[in-house]
Amino acid sequence: EAGVVQSPRYKIIEKKQPVAFWCNPISGHNTLYWYLQNLGQGPELLIRYENEEAVDDSQLPKDRFSAERLKGVDSTLKIQPAELGDSAVYLCASGVGTSGRNEQFFGPGTRLTVL
Amino acid sequence: ELKVEQNPLFLSMQEGKNYTIYCNYSTTSDRLYWYRQDPGKSLESLFVLLSNGAVKQEGRLMASLDTKARLSTLHITAAVHDLSATYFCAVDINYGQNFVFGPGTRLSVLP
Repeated sequence: EAGVVQSPRYKIIEKKQPVAFWCNPISGHNTLYWYLQNLGQGPELLIRYENEEAVDDSQLPKDRFSAERLKGVDSTLKIQPAELGDSAVYLCASGVGTSGRNEQFFGPGTRLTVL
Repeated sequence: ELKVEQNPLFLSMQEGKNYTIYCNYSTTSDRLYWYRQDPGKSLESLFVLLSNGAVKQEGRLMASLDTKARLSTLHITAAVHDLSATYFCAVDINYGQNFVFGPGTRLSVLP
């Protein structure tokens, strides 16, 4: 079974530029999460989707971050414009739902460097 | 606000020794997860603990959950170098409404 796929794996941009990350969850997983992980810290939730609906985006800085999950499968996270402090690893995770085990499976992440 | 703490944050131990990592949290929950992360890699699910008193074991690692004490432990038996990694606990309250990770414990197992 294929895992969560993310691209690109690495991205280097200059501040004020836009950037987008893509995530393809595990087939059949209706719940999708985007996390931000700073160096030496645990992941922090940015947004959670159930199917195509964003059910928790309270931690998403909406002035510059946006996300979408069209058709309830793939998802895109965008930053526009990027700031120096956005340098981090952006992780995507998916699961079969929040009841029961609610186990999340993580992708390899996109490491963003903003210069 | 849910807070998740881990102790210790850094752990250096010799091969063959035993040790325990602690994860405590501030709000009632009966679902707790342990993940492993190698440098530059993503998170790998180790254990899913879904009830008070749950105990899971895999190889040299054993995890337990005490929901009354709001405490989970990850016990390492006879450590080997391959266990060197960062270990995160994560707590889920209200069925996914709030999923919060601890800061991680960076484990180094020395020969």
